[in-house]
Amino acid sequence: QKEVEQDPGPLSVPEGAIVSLNCTYSNSAFQYFMWYRQYSRKGPELLMYTYSSGNKEDGRFTAQVDKSSKYISLFIRDSQPSDSATYLCAMSAGGGGFKTIFGAGTRLFVKA
Amino acid sequence: KAGVTQTPRYLIKTRGQQVTLSCSPISGHRSVSWYQQTPGQGLQFLFEYFSETQRNKGNFPGRFSGRQFSNSRSEMNVSTLELGDSALYLCASSPGTGTNTQYFGPGTRLTVL
Repeated sequence: QKEVEQDPGPLSVPEGAIVSLNCTYSNSAFQYFMWYRQYSRKGPELLMYTYSSGNKEDGRFTAQVDKSSKYISLFIRDSQPSDSATYLCAMSAGGGGFKTIFGAGTRLFVKA
Repeated sequence: KAGVTQTPRYLIKTRGQQVTLSCSPISGHRSVSWYQQTPGQGLQFLFEYFSETQRNKGNFPGRFSGRQFSNSRSEMNVSTLELGDSALYLCASSPGTGTNTQYFGPGTRLTVL
């Protein structure tokens, strides 16, 4: 079993829809949770960063972390064709240095 | 500030050869991490360097090695290339302390024939 599980999709939605992307994990030591967006032929771009449990909102994006269920989510409101990309969840235990574990990424298509 | 730069962007090698990839982090960042990205395995952590020392290491064979220079620039070397080494190699930089955020470069696409 992988430490981080993420449905690779693809997920196709109409423009304006609310998108829900999710990851589950098994390592209870994870404390830092990130969402990255990756366009084709580009490196991942950090979208959201959350420490421990709770919600964080940034514009059309909301990240949720439920450590008791080992479950994290990213919501995109009023989705746009420019949101079409691969979304990667990532997490680490911290404690100095990086050993970030990434999900497989979910491919999202937003149709105009 | 300029972003993370990686050179070369594309590389074609044959089995058995070796390759060196280069990464220049964001100015002031002291941590550089390397990742391998493939369609089958996703993004996998190779290693992290901080102030010229390897601070973390993933589960890759010893053919994969790296180093960091005093100006924080980093190189990654892969010896005795195998077909399965074909991948996008990504470098990520971070200030190194007080944060877990990383900023990725565009990657080097390595094809092994």
